[in-house]
Amino acid sequence: QSALTQPRSVSGSPGQSVTISCTGTSSDVGGYNYVSWYQQHPGEAPKLMIYDVSKRPSGVPDRFSGSKSGNTASLTISGLQAEDEADYYCSSYAGSYILVFGGGTKVTVL
Amino acid sequence: QLQMQESGPGLVKPSETLSLTCAVSGGSISSSNYYWGWIRQPPGKGLEWIGSIYYSGSTYYNPSLKSRVTISVDTSKNQFSLKLSSVTDADTAMYFCARHSTVTTFVFVYWGQGTLVTVSS
Repeated sequence: QSALTQPRSVSGSPGQSVTISCTGTSSDVGGYNYVSWYQQHPGEAPKLMIYDVSKRPSGVPDRFSGSKSGNTASLTISGLQAEDEADYYCSSYAGSYILVFGGGTKVTVL
Repeated sequence: QLQMQESGPGLVKPSETLSLTCAVSGGSISSSNYYWGWIRQPPGKGLEWIGSIYYSGSTYYNPSLKSRVTISVDTSKNQFSLKLSSVTDADTAMYFCARHSTVTTFVFVYWGQGTLVTVSS
C-alpha cells in the first residue's frame, strides 16, 4: 500500500476557494467511500474535517466540503480564512482492514 | 469528554524496542463501538497509520510495520500500548494515539497530543 498522492502546497487569498486533491487507486480511494480529511496546525494533533468522502462532523464549518471522482478525492475550502492555513491530510481505507494516508498539503492564505 | 494521553521514553537507542502507552479517560476502552489506534509522524513529514486494536484484543497492523509492531490493550487500566522493535533513526517521530469508529471507515475523532520519540545512540 502506497501513500496517497497530494499536492505539496496550495494557496489562495482570503475569500477565495482552494481545492486539494488526493489521488489513489481502485484499491483504496476508488474502491471505497471511506475517505477522510484532517487539518493539522503546527504543534497540534490532527483534527477531523471530513469523513466518508463528504460528511462533515458537527462543529466543522460548512466552508469545508469533500467529494470523490474515480480514484481521486478532493477537499474544497470555500471562503478561505486566515485560520485555514494549515496542513491537510487525506486518508482512505485500502481493504483488508488497512488505512493509508496522503503525504499532506500545506495550505497558505496569501 | 474523552481524553487520551501518550506516555513513554522520549529517547530510544537503535536496535532497541520503543514502548508507549496511551491512557484513556472520560470513556471506557471496552466500548464495543470503537477501536484504538496508533499513528506516527516523522518530523516535517506526513502521517502514517501504525495499527489498531479492539478491546477484545483483535489487532490490525500496517503491513509495512507488521513484523516489528505489537499493540496490546489493558482494559483494567483503560489503556493500550505500542511496542516497536528493532528501531532505527527512521522511527524517529511524533507518535499519536487516537480513537476510531471501525476498521473500515477509520474515522479518528479523538486524538492524544502526541509524544516525540527520538531514536539515537
